[in-house]
Amino acid sequence: AQTVTQSQPEMSVQEAETVTLSCTYDTSESDYYLFWYKQPPSRQMILVIRQEAYKQQNATENRFSVNFQKAAKSFSLKISDSQLGDAAMYFCAYRSFYSGGGADGLTFGKGTHLIIQP
Amino acid sequence: NAGVTQTPKFQVLKTGQSMTLQCAQDMNHNSMYWYRQDPGMGLRLIYYSASEGTTDKGEVPNGYNVSRLNKREFSLRLESAAPSQTSVYFCASSDRLGQPQHFGDGTRLSIL
Repeated sequence: AQTVTQSQPEMSVQEAETVTLSCTYDTSESDYYLFWYKQPPSRQMILVIRQEAYKQQNATENRFSVNFQKAAKSFSLKISDSQLGDAAMYFCAYRSFYSGGGADGLTFGKGTHLIIQP
Repeated sequence: NAGVTQTPKFQVLKTGQSMTLQCAQDMNHNSMYWYRQDPGMGLRLIYYSASEGTTDKGEVPNGYNVSRLNKREFSLRLESAAPSQTSVYFCASSDRLGQPQHFGDGTRLSIL
């Protein structure tokens, strides 16, 4: 079974600065997908960014980018020019490339609470 | 554009009562999922349905049953609620394997 570890329960950053959230995972599979989800106080789960393991290029979405290190099994999220609206819980998640046997679901880390200081 | 709709949003039950959480999606997705979220934990998969007519257990299925009523709807049933099932429940759906899952707004369930 895969596991996802987020070692930072809480992070704080000044508005307009850059912050990096860490995520490591353990898997024996060579193909898989990785995601970052944002959960604001409203409780919604919002997709931030997605990475396919077979792609070497790091995914980017506007101010959000990832540093995907496949050999190290590391998938960190960088938020540039932090804004007050970025304050939320951030979850790293893993999904197998293959279906069946429970592999269809996402395996989540425990989350990082991001605080934005004005 | 509703996406994934869960009902109810909040519910309080007494131990031993039964309850069905409803989920419907309007995105024509094949796969649907139920997760629970406990304090200090990420979401954990309870059950999923890869397609209409099929269901499979996830990481924490004990105490729950599911029904994939049709392509749109996937319900989660607690037959005899226990305090350990107090949690926030999320339904999700996705299209092809590897595509992101789209989540409902969650149901906060308290069992006294």
